[in-house]
Amino acid sequence: QLHLQASGPGLVRPSETLSLTCSVSDDPITSYTYYWAWIRQPPGKGLQWIGSVFYGGRSYSNPSLRNRVTFSVDTSKNQFSLQLKSVTAADTAVYYCAREVLQTYYHFDYWGQGILVTVSS
Amino acid sequence: EIVLTQSPGTLSLSPGERATLSCRASQDIRNNYLAWYQQKPGQAPRLLFFGTSSRATGIPDKFSGGGSGTDFTLTISRLESEDSAVYYCQHYDSSHTFGKGTRLEIK
Repeated sequence: QLHLQASGPGLVRPSETLSLTCSVSDDPITSYTYYWAWIRQPPGKGLQWIGSVFYGGRSYSNPSLRNRVTFSVDTSKNQFSLQLKSVTAADTAVYYCAREVLQTYYHFDYWGQGILVTVSS
Repeated sequence: EIVLTQSPGTLSLSPGERATLSCRASQDIRNNYLAWYQQKPGQAPRLLFFGTSSRATGIPDKFSGGGSGTDFTLTISRLESEDSAVYYCQHYDSSHTFGKGTRLEIK
């Protein structure tokens, strides 16, 4: 059973860069069938897709966040990462990593448990 | 960008009843790229359906997904207390969007 685990600092100061890593277990990240995604959920609110990255490095992202996000992949560690720069309090959320299925209707079939990131000074 | 509107915002039903949750798209969804997720408090979302009506692994047949065009539904029959959750629809069209969710409460 695929397992995803997000890790990173739980507190980030305003204007700084939020950096998270997702470790993937029991399935190689180097698959042509999947992208690897970040989705966030502000406290008490709904879900917002941030973006997705292919193991080769190609990525696509939410237009509202595109100029602030960067994605990377480390195939040797079976991990992928998110960097979100110039954060504000509005970026406070639970951040989920997930597997995105391509070709078959583009959905997210496995999710990590999520990590709460608070932006505060 | 297609906007997904879910209704009702909150649904309160009794055990054994049937719930019908709606997800309406602002434009026609021709490719059936419509998925449903269930999220319980403190947990990550869980995939229920993809491609409108394809049930994800391990999802019982009391759950059903359907619809076409701009109107999609998630139906849950024989409600149990464990079905209490927030349900989200999601669409892909060069970008992913989620509806705001329907909260289902079992009395």
